[in-house]
Amino acid sequence: SQTIHQWPATLVQPVGSPLSLECTVEGTSNPNLYWYRQAAGRGLQLLFYSVGIGQISSEVPQNLSASRPQDRQFILSSKKLLLSDSGFYLCAWSSNTQVGKTQYFGPGTRLTVL
Amino acid sequence: KQEVTQIPAALSVPEGENLVLNCSFTDSAIYNLQWFRQDPGKGLTSLLLIQSSQREQTSGRLNASLDKSSGRSTLYIAASQPGDSATYLCAVAGGSRLTFGEGTQLTVNP
Repeated sequence: SQTIHQWPATLVQPVGSPLSLECTVEGTSNPNLYWYRQAAGRGLQLLFYSVGIGQISSEVPQNLSASRPQDRQFILSSKKLLLSDSGFYLCAWSSNTQVGKTQYFGPGTRLTVL
Repeated sequence: KQEVTQIPAALSVPEGENLVLNCSFTDSAIYNLQWFRQDPGKGLTSLLLIQSSQREQTSGRLNASLDKSSGRSTLYIAASQPGDSATYLCAVAGGSRLTFGEGTQLTVNP
């Protein structure tokens, strides 16, 4: 069966510090991968998605970047965090063999920027 | 650009009630519509997925309907239980992307 992992679970960082959040998927090959952010009391905003190694699409201009160094690894990064980067970050995967397949979400990372 | 709206934003009901959550979307050119559940501080759990060619899906006490032409979906929860308390999110799929509503926060009181 497939599983998706995210770490860390929680993170408190000062403004201006770097960020690296990691997401890995097990039990599937060549998945589509997604990073979402959920601000308090808001819906999910798609930040990045990837259909393959090194292929990243950005949905919104921002202070963040994403990379996919391996097939089942997706990393969200920032060189200098802003207060507005605080939120709940969710990674998800879906099958690449058919459009419209459901997305499976990881447990999330709660980021607080102080 | 697809926009998804969920009404109500919050709902509080006594245990045992049947209830309906509403979702509307602006662009009817969708592949499917999904309902997710999110517990506080947790990730999302997929509840039901309705393909664009379908009109409803059922799982246990949950029933989701889809009227693509009018841009609406409902999630019906029968005989609600305190364990159903969570935020319910509706999402529509356009290609590989999901557009989410802001969710309905449900509280079922014992």
